[in-house]
Amino acid sequence: AQKVTQAQTEISVVEKEDVTLDCVYETRDTTYYLFWYKQPPSGELVFLIRRNSFDEQNEISGRYSWNFQKSTSSFNFTITASQVVDSAVYFCALKDSGAGSYQLTFGKGTKLSVIP
Amino acid sequence: NAGVTQTPKFQVLKTGQSMTLQCAQDMNHEYMSWYRQDPGMGLRLIHYSVGAGITDQGEVPNGYNVSRSTTEDFPLRLLSAAPSQTSVYFCASSYPGSPAELFFGEGSRLTVL
Repeated sequence: AQKVTQAQTEISVVEKEDVTLDCVYETRDTTYYLFWYKQPPSGELVFLIRRNSFDEQNEISGRYSWNFQKSTSSFNFTITASQVVDSAVYFCALKDSGAGSYQLTFGKGTKLSVIP
Repeated sequence: NAGVTQTPKFQVLKTGQSMTLQCAQDMNHEYMSWYRQDPGMGLRLIHYSVGAGITDQGEVPNGYNVSRSTTEDFPLRLLSAAPSQTSVYFCASSYPGSPAELFFGEGSRLTVL
């Protein structure tokens, strides 16, 4: 069975600090996909990134970066120089690649509060 | 672009009442699903559909019914509402194929008294 663990329930940082959100996953599949979603206080779910299991290169998008390490089954998300607008709940999710597989398994989320 | 549209955004029910949460998407996505979000629980899959006429249960299906008569619509029915169904409900859709990310609606907040 698939499982996604986000051990950090809530994190508070002061604006401009860097922060890393942890995500650890479990799956028996050799091919799978990992996702991060952001849920700001307004409530909608915003797709941030997708990573497949064969691509272990880290990715950077502006102040956001993602570190995928297959050896530790982790897909961590770092925000550099955090801003108040980064305050949100962040979800990590996992999808396998089996035929007809469409379902995402979500972690319980990490609530990030950026204090001005 | 409308994307995924959910109605209503807010609803208050009494225990035992029934209601339908509507979900429509205009992206011709084959896959549609319903999740519920509860504090500290993340998002849990209720039901999903891989195409018109095909539905299946997710992690927490009890107390909910779905049908998929068209590609565009995927309503979620609460047959006899219970306080335990107080939650925020999200409808999501995606293209076929494993890498596809989910597109979410804005959510429907349901309170059952």
